[in-house]
Formats: sequence, C-alpha cells, structure tokens
Amino acid sequence: DTGVSQDPRHKITKRGQNVTFRCDPISEHNRLYWYRQTLGQGPEFLTYFQNEAQLEKSRLLSDRFSAERPKGSFSTLEIQRTEQGDSAMYLCASSLLLGSNYGYTFGSGTRLTVV
Amino acid sequence: GQQLNQSPQSMFIQEGEDVSMNCTSSSIFNTWLWYKQDPGEGPVLLIALYKAGELTSNGRLTAQFGITRKDSFLNISASIPSDVGIYFCAGPSGGYQKVTFGTGTKLQVIP
Repeated sequence: DTGVSQDPRHKITKRGQNVTFRCDPISEHNRLYWYRQTLGQGPEFLTYFQNEAQLEKSRLLSDRFSAERPKGSFSTLEIQRTEQGDSAMYLCASSLLLGSNYGYTFGSGTRLTVV
Repeated sequence: GQQLNQSPQSMFIQEGEDVSMNCTSSSIFNTWLWYKQDPGEGPVLLIALYKAGELTSNGRLTAQFGITRKDSFLNISASIPSDVGIYFCAGPSGGYQKVTFGTGTKLQVIP
C-alpha cells in the first residue's frame, strides 16, 4: 500500500496527558499537511511542511501543539496537556510540489478522544 | 475568513435517483474542489475545477464551476449504495495549496 499512513487509528487519553500521532506520507511527496476535523464539520487546516521546513501554522495550533518532520519524510503531531476540546479526527495529507496542484492524498486519520 | 456553505446538509434518496448539491462562498474562488469522505476515512478528491463556467465529469459525477466564481454544483446520476458518504466542497485559502472545506452534505442511499 503506497497511500498515506497514520498511526494510531484511534487514541483515547485522559485529560492532561500528552499524545503523539505519526504520519507517513507517500514517499515521493514533499508537501505534508495536518488538518483537524470535528464531528459534523469539514477538515480545518493546522499546519504545512515542505520537505522538513514547517512553513505555515494555523491559529488553531495553540502552543500545546507541535508538529515536526525531521528528515522530510514522516511527520509527528504532539498535543501536550490534552483538553476535551482536542477530541477530533486528525488528518494528514501529502502532495507533490507541482504547480497549482491541489491533489492531496489524505490518510485515514487518527481519532482522538479525550476523557 | 472564507466560509463555504453547502446545501442540503443531508439527504436521503432512493437508489437509482439523481442527486444535486451545491456550495456557496462569501468570496471568489479560482479553483473549486469536490471531495467525498467515507465513514472513518479521510476525504478523497473527486473533481477539481479551474475555470469559471467549467463543467467536468468523473464517471457518474458532474461538477460545475459557477459563473460568479462564488458557487459550485455537484450532480450524481443514477445513485448506487456506495455513493453513501459526506461530500465536501473546498477551495484554496491562501498559499501552500492549503484549502478551506465546506460544511458537507451527507448522502444516504436507500436500496
């Protein structure tokens, strides 16, 4: 399978705990995005990497959130001191840097539940 | 910020019927995208539109880029059970190819 892979698929955590999610993009894709989707809503942009550089962060990404893509391949998204409002599906997507191509490939997401 | 409103919010149709849904924006878009999301999965791009007035098909799906650039429409002909899911419109929202997604239209097909 050469799609975008996310791990874990589901995570239940207690409020106040830290969690980390991983995304493995399609190998030749140099763009990587994180989106968050709450129930009944469309995905919302969180952050963007081009290779290993984090080029943009949404205001949704509070200081409790940090994302990395250390070698320009896989990426991690960490949430510190989780709150119930962090419960959502966290989606990763990747694409090629190629003109005005919006052809993202999304992963299946990590569903986070904070109790 | 940009907002994309989709209607209807949800719909139930009989298998074999045609479906229409639309998306309106408070601002002009130069690209319109339509995605489908199955339960528990990420969205999948169905159709991309790049020019006002453009009509593009992908199998039984046809999408149109509205002339005003503030709306887009998606039609599904002869619906089948696997068409069930949530359909999102989306458009560019700044640099780096990031997009704003609409509120979604949830489609249920009754066999």
